[in-house]
Amino acid sequence: DVKVTQSSRYLVKRTGEKVFLECVQDMDHENMFWYRQDPGLGLRLIYFSYDVKMKEKGDIPEGYSVSREKKERFSLILESASTNQTSMYLCASSKTTGGGQPQHFGDGTRLSIL
Amino acid sequence: DAKTTQPPSMDCAEGRAANLPCNHSTISGNEYVYWYRQIHSQGPQYIIHGLKNNETNEMASLIITEDRKSSTLILPHATLRDTAVYYCIVRGYSGSARQLTFGSGTQLTVLP
Repeated sequence: DVKVTQSSRYLVKRTGEKVFLECVQDMDHENMFWYRQDPGLGLRLIYFSYDVKMKEKGDIPEGYSVSREKKERFSLILESASTNQTSMYLCASSKTTGGGQPQHFGDGTRLSIL
Repeated sequence: DAKTTQPPSMDCAEGRAANLPCNHSTISGNEYVYWYRQIHSQGPQYIIHGLKNNETNEMASLIITEDRKSSTLILPHATLRDTAVYYCIVRGYSGSARQLTFGSGTQLTVLP
């Protein structure tokens, strides 16, 4: 089975802090994704990576950056955390971006910025 | 990606089959039907997907009509742990189709 592991289930940080969210997948997938999920807004793509050191912006990249130094690991960085970044953050991976390849999700990190 | 329509909620008795319908009348020939579910406060879980033929795995079966305009997800013996929001998604084979977009889904409640 595909396993996508996010480093924390719950995280509390303060405004202005630099926050790191880590995600690891064990299926040698090329593609990895970071989403945030908010009530009434659904899933929104923050960043996407299709290979090591490669990344593309999603719909809401402002205030975030990502790092993919190894194929299995994709990190999301909140450069200077703000209260409007309080959300559920979801990491996903897939073998390719094709229509026949599902994305597999981690359990999510519920981040609160105080 | 084609739009999907699902009932907002359904109930099912524990141990019975849960049949969740999805309409996707604008689906095109190269678009797949995916099902995910999300249990409260957890990440979405991939269940099954298909293109034309019916599919079955250890979790569920997917029945796609011959005209591909609708499908049904079947959980053969629902348990209380199957209570979740179920999302039906249609996605094409395209480099631009990288993002998953969930609609409102169906809240399935399995009753004891």
